[in-house]
Amino acid sequence: KAGVTQTPRYLIKTRGQQVTLSCSPISGHRSVSWYQQTPGQGLQFLFEYFSETQRNKGNFPGRFSGRQFSNSRSEMNVSTLELGDSALYLCASSFGRRVEEVYNEQFFGPGTRLTVL
Amino acid sequence: AQTVTQSQPEMSVQEAETVTLSCTYDTSENNYYLFWYKQPPSRQMILVIRQEAYKQQNATENRFSVNFQKAAKSFSLKISDSQLGDTAMYFCASNTGNQFYFGTGTSLTVIP
Repeated sequence: KAGVTQTPRYLIKTRGQQVTLSCSPISGHRSVSWYQQTPGQGLQFLFEYFSETQRNKGNFPGRFSGRQFSNSRSEMNVSTLELGDSALYLCASSFGRRVEEVYNEQFFGPGTRLTVL
Repeated sequence: AQTVTQSQPEMSVQEAETVTLSCTYDTSENNYYLFWYKQPPSRQMILVIRQEAYKQQNATENRFSVNFQKAAKSFSLKISDSQLGDTAMYFCASNTGNQFYFGTGTSLTVIP
């Protein structure tokens, strides 16, 4: 079974630009979560999508948005990029159903390394 | 909000020795899962071990085991017979429903 894939793997942008990152979950997984990882802050939760609906949201400004498609693929968008947005963005998928699988683990993608100049 | 605390930013261990990574969490839920994830220098995060809160028995996966103290809300990871490939960032996480909560990580270096 293919793992979680993220594209692109590396991205360089300048301040003020916008960027879109993509995540394809493991087949059968309906939940996709996004995290921002920086050396000093660890993993910061951005949001989680389940069946095309944002189910949970972290404490990030409105410049960070996302969506999920009917095939469970998800995109994350950051508008008006700032230097502080430079980070590794991780996507994770899981079944996400509210039955016994709700507590299963998340499977992570390799991440997209975003550098803002 | 849930919190997960890892108080050891960096640790090192001699190859073949045993090391314990600490994690405490805060939750008011009765049913939850706890996880340890490993992120090697290549950056792909993988699951090491998980513990169901309603199970008293500590989880074990080969050289990895946990010490789960529910009353103290403590969930430490013990790595026995450390190997060079264990060098990585280790994240403790809790899941009480739809959302996962991660600690800030412990960078473990195994010294040859």
